[in-house]
Formats: sequence, structure tokens, C-alpha cells
Amino acid sequence: NAGVTQTPKFQVLKTGQSMTLQCAQDMNHNSMYWYRQDPGMGLRLIYYSASEGTTDKGEVPNGYNVSRLNKREFSLRLESAAPSQTSVYFCAIGRAANYGYTFGSGTRLTVV
Amino acid sequence: AQSVTQLGSHVSVSEGALVLLRCNYSSSVPPYLFWYVQYPNQGLQLLLKYTTGATLVKGINGFEAEFKKSETSFHLTKPSAHMSDAAEYFCAVSDKGGKLIFGQGTELSVKP
Repeated sequence: NAGVTQTPKFQVLKTGQSMTLQCAQDMNHNSMYWYRQDPGMGLRLIYYSASEGTTDKGEVPNGYNVSRLNKREFSLRLESAAPSQTSVYFCAIGRAANYGYTFGSGTRLTVV
Repeated sequence: AQSVTQLGSHVSVSEGALVLLRCNYSSSVPPYLFWYVQYPNQGLQLLLKYTTGATLVKGINGFEAEFKKSETSFHLTKPSAHMSDAAEYFCAVSDKGGKLIFGQGTELSVKP
């Protein structure tokens, strides 16, 4: 997972708490993505950013916000965490449609 | 809209046996297709990809996949399973905007 750094690796939140998941890359790619992974559901796209200064909703954006701070960093914020947001969150970067993604190592989030 | 279906959420093989993981896709345009592997508690790694050209694609760790347009399939195979192949495998298709759409995943178990 060289090139994509996610923090934190683990987090436990209480319902209603907020937190920000951080993602940083050193591969100079324009596109960055946030996915969540749940058993039996594969990876579902939450938000993505095609370039610095732009963000767009993916398949499951409700309850999340994002910020593309600069070309390197793309953060995901949970304003009021819910148990349904218990998941593993992955940040990914992509160069082009035919290139595939490079993934971070993930953040395992539990909301109690 | 593109979609991916992986047949079988769990596949179990004996060490040395053939591995076959099935993936079917739907796409209105020529697709880019990918297989990723996820080892326990890690991020996703690219195994192989089909973009254009030869329909039989070779990847890392002895895996290969064949793009069959007539069957809208991109099945992953390995002639002889090794214990270290135990992992979860994801098939993905790239949409027109370059976003990856993932299948539900197939967990591969390898018995000694």
C-alpha cells in the first residue's frame, strides 16, 4: 500500500460523536476515493474527488462529508456517528480508468 | 450502468487443486476489468487487469483471467492452489468516469 497513508488504523466511537478520517498520498494522482467495506457487500463508493477542489457523491454518501484539502489530502468526516457506519474504510487513488487504484491499508471503525 | 456479480461468496479448494473464481459484468461500453486480492487485515492489491489487447491476462502469484466478451465474464484462475492464496478476491469494472465498481467479493479457503 505504498503511497497512500490512512489514519487512524482503528477507532471506536460512541453514537453521536464526530471524527475525521485522514488520507494522504505521495503519488501525485488527481483522483482520490473513499470506500466502505462491509461483509457480503464488497466495496461501496462514498465520495470521490476527481481533482483538487472538486468532490462528488458516490453510491452511499449519506452521513458523510469530505474535504479535498490539496492534491495530497482527502479527508472523510462523520459528523454524528451511527452504528450503521461501523465498517472498514478505504482510501484509494487512481491515475486513469485503465490503471486501477492504489489502496490505503484501511481504517477499522466501530460505532457503539 | 456497470455492475459486477461474483458467483459464490465462499470457495474452498484443496492445496494443489485448481482455483476458479467467477466474475460476470454488465457494461454498455468496452470495459476495463480488474481483480484485486485482500489478505486479512490489509488493503486491496491489484492482481491483474484487462484494458485492451490480449484477452488472457496474467497477473501476480500465478493467477490469470480471461476476458470473454460474448459471455460478459472475467473469471480468475490458478492451476494449483497454495495455502498462501487464502484471501478475499474482488472483481471490479471501471465505469466511464474512471470509478471502480466492485463485486461482492469471494473468500477463498485453501485446505491442506
